[in-house]
Amino acid sequence: AQKITQTQPGMFVQEKEAVTLDCTYDTSDQSYGLFWYKQPSSGEMIFLIYQGSYDEQNATEGRYSLNFQKARKSANLVISASQLGDSAMYFCAMINNAGNMLTFGGGTRLMVKP
Amino acid sequence: GEEVAQTPKHLVRGEGQKAKLYCAPIKGHSYVFWYQQVLKNEFKFLISFQNENVFDETGMPKERFSAKCLPNSPCSLEIQATKLEDSAVYFCASSQSPRGQEAFFGQGTRLTVV
Repeated sequence: AQKITQTQPGMFVQEKEAVTLDCTYDTSDQSYGLFWYKQPSSGEMIFLIYQGSYDEQNATEGRYSLNFQKARKSANLVISASQLGDSAMYFCAMINNAGNMLTFGGGTRLMVKP
Repeated sequence: GEEVAQTPKHLVRGEGQKAKLYCAPIKGHSYVFWYQQVLKNEFKFLISFQNENVFDETGMPKERFSAKCLPNSPCSLEIQATKLEDSAVYFCASSQSPRGQEAFFGQGTRLTVV
């Protein structure tokens, strides 16, 4: 069984500042993938970033970067230069080695203050 | 297509009626996942497919839920005799290769059982 934990139910950040959203995971698989998704109030799920467990470099996509610490089993999302449009729910997720299940964390609601 | 297409966007059913939801994965994606989001912060895995084969169905309430992914047709999720607690947003996601590629989500189908 695998598990994703997001310990921050809600976070505030000042516009233009950086913010880190925490994600820890638990799995017995040696190979897996980690995702972050953004869900704005409109409800759709927007893919942000992906990290494979064997990728040596941390993934980056524009203002998003994934701070992957394999030994600690953490995959925190860093958003640089926050924008008002970043206000949303953020979900961390993991795909297992077999590729048949994507497990989600409980989400973190990010609110960007002007 | 280049996006996961879910239809309909909204579906209202009386308790006890049947509901059928559709998902067309991105062309070339072999893996399809169905999720139920009851509250805004919880995703429940239902079932996954590799092409037309069920990959994992451990999340499916089997007595009323069924799903198919047939060749050359959209995937479908069917709920017989809907109950009030089936009211949720149902998301479909597709992936080309789960451990190395992004999993893209559709817009979701909001099912309301009245």
